[in-house]
Amino acid sequence: DAKTTQPPSMDCAEGRAANLPCNHSTISGNEYVYWYRQIHSQGPQYIIHGLKNNETNEMASLIITEDRKSSTLILPHATLRDTAVYYCIVYQGGSEKLVFGKGTKLTVNP
Amino acid sequence: DGGITQSPKYLFRKEGQNVTLSCEQNLNHDAMYWYRQDPGQGLRLIYYSQIVNDFQKGDIAEGYSVSREKKESFPLTVTSAQKNPTAFYLCASSNRGSGEQYFGPGTRLTVT
Repeated sequence: DAKTTQPPSMDCAEGRAANLPCNHSTISGNEYVYWYRQIHSQGPQYIIHGLKNNETNEMASLIITEDRKSSTLILPHATLRDTAVYYCIVYQGGSEKLVFGKGTKLTVNP
Repeated sequence: DGGITQSPKYLFRKEGQNVTLSCEQNLNHDAMYWYRQDPGQGLRLIYYSQIVNDFQKGDIAEGYSVSREKKESFPLTVTSAQKNPTAFYLCASSNRGSGEQYFGPGTRLTVT
């Protein structure tokens, strides 16, 4: 079973920041938070991951709370192409297994 | 260009027939995975392989078989024992111990 809880759907206006929340209250100290997204009928795409510190790359930013029980994925300037299902995954390093929940369907509106 | 290829994109079979889905990667990854996705659901792990000539069952391995004779290839056979084979099948690869998996475009299998 997925160890994360995400809202089933969210909407965002084009050009605005999209903030996608994820709860992972049972996360262990050696488990990472990974984010993937899946555009309709395509394979999932890795976005970003983190352990404790906030992370940023060319696609997004990841904010992890100090107690590590929740995180937020931020798409700073959402475009229509960011419409997708976003998956938050708790991953134990070396376990080789990603457990996908149902994710959050983000719809970016013009 | 490096990546993962899956073929074919769409596959149609009659009930009772075995069918093999292809997955090839040129990323030099040791680990490869097969997932199944049903409409409106997340991905579920079928089988995975961390090294050539070795593989492990995932969460829903019944009715499926795999082989890993080459590092680049990880074919999945959907056997007639799989009760509900119609689904979207996704292959992925990664470096060992990494949660960063690279996915192929998927094969949509329809069995009637």
